[in-house]
Amino acid sequence: GAVVSQHPSRVICKSGTSVKIECRSLDFQATTMFWYRQFPKQSLMLMATSNEGSKATYEQGVEKDKFLINHASLTLSTLTVTSAHPEDSSFYICSASYRGSGYTFGSGTRLTVV
Amino acid sequence: QKEVEQNSGPLSVPEGAIASLNCTYSDRGSQSFFWYRQYSGKSPELIMSIYSNGDKEDGRFTAQLNKASQYVSLLIRDSQPSDSATYLCAERRAAGNKLTFGGGTRVLVKP
Repeated sequence: GAVVSQHPSRVICKSGTSVKIECRSLDFQATTMFWYRQFPKQSLMLMATSNEGSKATYEQGVEKDKFLINHASLTLSTLTVTSAHPEDSSFYICSASYRGSGYTFGSGTRLTVV
Repeated sequence: QKEVEQNSGPLSVPEGAIASLNCTYSDRGSQSFFWYRQYSGKSPELIMSIYSNGDKEDGRFTAQLNKASQYVSLLIRDSQPSDSATYLCAERRAAGNKLTFGGGTRVLVKP
């Protein structure tokens, strides 16, 4: 079945630094990648949608200059949290879709900013 | 009004009983609905999807969709302790490809 590999699974960084999260679709072409954030005891909140080769579309309230998304190929998308602060600590999850046929979630990245 | 609403729970169910979860949505244009299970600290895993009115069964799980009343439900038969998790309902609208998630219902199956 379709697999999305997400790395790292956990990361601790200092406040003010940047963190990059990678999602790779291993056996299919991810025409669309969705990036979610989940705070404790809350549901998944969509941050942005990216289509291969295009700029990402960000949800209302999500700072595009802070959360940089790159989807340069059909198998790789990255989310970079720039100048991270403790309030950015969260569980970040990617989800890949091929032409809307289904959604495959990555295993998630637990980000802790200290 | 939230786009997708679920009772947060917890829904406590004895082992072997039926767990019944409900989800309502606000957009009549929504076409597809998904139920995901999420264990603590893990990413969601798909249980099943449903697109047409009526019931859809897959093993111990049955999804029910009623577009006129704008609700979708999930029944878990013969509940097991391993079913203890948060269950997320999601919709996909006619326009666009993104999923909108409800807040999730926490289910506790007690031995």
